[in-house]
Amino acid sequence: KNEVEQSPQNLTAQEGEFITINCSYSVGISALHWLQQHPGGGIVSLFMLSSGKKKHGRLIATINIQEKHSSLHITASHPRDSAVYICAAIKAAGNKLTFGGGTRVLVKP
Amino acid sequence: EPEVTQTPSHQVTQMGQEVILRCVPISNHLYFYWYRQILGQKVEFLVSFYNNEISEKSEIFDDQFSVERPDGSNFTLKIRSTKLEDSAMYFCASRREYEQYFGPGTRLTVT
Repeated sequence: KNEVEQSPQNLTAQEGEFITINCSYSVGISALHWLQQHPGGGIVSLFMLSSGKKKHGRLIATINIQEKHSSLHITASHPRDSAVYICAAIKAAGNKLTFGGGTRVLVKP
Repeated sequence: EPEVTQTPSHQVTQMGQEVILRCVPISNHLYFYWYRQILGQKVEFLVSFYNNEISEKSEIFDDQFSVERPDGSNFTLKIRSTKLEDSAMYFCASRREYEQYFGPGTRLTVT
C-alpha cells in the first residue's frame, strides 16, 4: 500500500469551477507539501503545512493531522491552473519527502 | 528571489557512460536532496545530504550513484555506467528549515 494516496488521479473542470484534490497518508508525518508540476516537468512548491489551513490567492490547503488527510482547493479555476498537483509528506525524522501519485487537472475555457 | 538551479536541463547519454548532474542550491540552505521521476511515475526520493555526508538514501541509490558537494555552492549527482532504466527527470532540492525548494530538473535520456 502506498504511504501517500491522492484522489482523483485526473480531473477536468470548466473555467470558474471550484476544484478539490484530496491526499491521505498512512504514516505519522510532521508536515505536508502541496506541489505543482507543469507540462515542462518543473516542480513548484505551493504550500507546506502542518496544521489548519493556508491560503494563497485562489489556492487553499487544509490538513487534519489526526485524520491523516489534506485537501487542496482551487477557487474560480482558470485554464492556467492546468497542471499536475502533487502532495508530499514529510515524516518526523529525516525530512525526505514521500510523494503521492499526483492529480492531473485540466481546466477548460 | 533565490532559487535552486540545475544543469544541464537535458542530457542525452549512451548506455554505459557516466553522467554528472549539477545543482546549485540556495546559498544559505544546509540540507540537500536528489529525487527522480521516471516518465509517468511518481517522484521518488534518492538521497539526502547534510554536513558533507549522506544522511539518508533509498534502496534505489546503490553503488552506481554518488553525491558530492565539491565546493561551497555545487551539489552533484554522479551516475556511473548508465542503464536505459536511469532515464528520468532528476530534481535537486534544498532547504534551510522545513520547506524544500526544487530546481527545474534535468531530463536524462539514456540511449
